[in-house]
Amino acid sequence: GEDVEQSLFLSVREGDSSVINCTYTDSSSTYLYWYKQEPGAGLQLLTYIFSNMDMKQDQRLTVLLNKKDKHLSLRIADTQTGDSAIYFCAESTTGGATNKLIFGTGTLLAVQP
Amino acid sequence: KAGVTQTPRYLIKTRGQQVTLSCSPISGHRSVSWYQQTPGQGLQFLFEYFSETQRNKGNFPGRFSGRQFSNSRSEMNVSTLELGDSALYLCASSLEWGSRNEQFFGPGTRLTVL
Repeated sequence: GEDVEQSLFLSVREGDSSVINCTYTDSSSTYLYWYKQEPGAGLQLLTYIFSNMDMKQDQRLTVLLNKKDKHLSLRIADTQTGDSAIYFCAESTTGGATNKLIFGTGTLLAVQP
Repeated sequence: KAGVTQTPRYLIKTRGQQVTLSCSPISGHRSVSWYQQTPGQGLQFLFEYFSETQRNKGNFPGRFSGRQFSNSRSEMNVSTLELGDSALYLCASSLEWGSRNEQFFGPGTRLTVL
């Protein structure tokens, strides 16, 4: 079945690195995404990784994918108070004949000044 | 380039009424998907459209329906509203259809059913 899990809450101090973790179950997922949601707003696409990659870096963001363990992580370097938000990981489903995303429960990141 | 727009941003309805939500995708994008977000169930897929055809539908009752127009704009309709339909409804657009396409979300429509 399709299931994506995340820890619910993470608290870090400003300037530290944040690591948000996600596990998924669909072994044939083609793309895995990270979205950010600020209060009262929609979802902002942060980055994504293709399932045949191990790592992707984009400025302060680093995505690591362990396909064997079906584990995805998002590392935010030098975390700022503006990074406080809910972070969702999502996987695209099998077959390619759909845009459907399966989302995790979201991780609330709280950045302390 | 303008992002995904959704109208209205906020709606208050009463049980039994019906509601229509609108989504305009990013210019040039041809695929639109809809999601429901609630505190209890999280983000759940409603349906997706490409070339004016519904391609997939999530596990929602028939009261939830949608359509896509020739200009790629999409509407979703919920009839006979129930209290549990209160949610943030999010629309996402992508260039084409298929899992290799990045999806960009609008700000959502916040529906409250009283």
